[in-house]
Amino acid sequence: ETGVTQTPRHLVMGMTNKKSLKCEQHLGHNAMYWYKQSAKKPLELMFVYSLEERVENNSVPSRFSPECPNSSHLFLHLHTLQPEDSALYLCASSRTGEGQPQHFGDGTRLSIL
Amino acid sequence: GDSVTQMEGPVTLSEEAFLTINCTYTATGYPSLFWYVQYPGEGLQLLLKATKADDKGSNKGFEATYRKETTSFHLEKGSVQVSDSAVYFCALSDLGYGQNFVFGPGTRLSVLP
Repeated sequence: ETGVTQTPRHLVMGMTNKKSLKCEQHLGHNAMYWYKQSAKKPLELMFVYSLEERVENNSVPSRFSPECPNSSHLFLHLHTLQPEDSALYLCASSRTGEGQPQHFGDGTRLSIL
Repeated sequence: GDSVTQMEGPVTLSEEAFLTINCTYTATGYPSLFWYVQYPGEGLQLLLKATKADDKGSNKGFEATYRKETTSFHLEKGSVQVSDSAVYFCALSDLGYGQNFVFGPGTRLSVLP
């Protein structure tokens, strides 16, 4: 039990579909992160939310849309993705001011057909 | 820009062998340094960290010392176990909230009984 729960664990979708990834933590953290992990590439930071406000957006394409309704929940809305978007998407959380993600979820394995 | 370089894997060791995974970094400021571990099918977990030169981070028998003169943060363990088989990521953080948080490519470790 990592304290950060991601659903679904696996997702297969077509390029025209719309789906959402969900991340939930009940660790009392107030910063949450989305990372993309592709084969043979370093982890890529996509989005950072601190106190429910986005503080980082690393030039991610608009087909990825994050949402942070409260400090415990983080979503990643997906729309018209490309095959190169197939990857493991990891959510992480930390306390504000720690400067690095402390706890990661187990990830959602996304495959784009 | 900031970067992290790790030794290429995979690394295969017998149980009770000594482990070293090399990590070197380049950074414009005075970064904090981290090691994360990713067990099969799971997300990343923070293993240890060091926030200033000559600090030693340690956890679960693993150690790493922040060496500013050689810009290194090598991970060591005196006697590995089969359960240590995982992918190990070196990372640095130059600023807060995950900004400029850079992961290395990861090194896969396999420990044989």
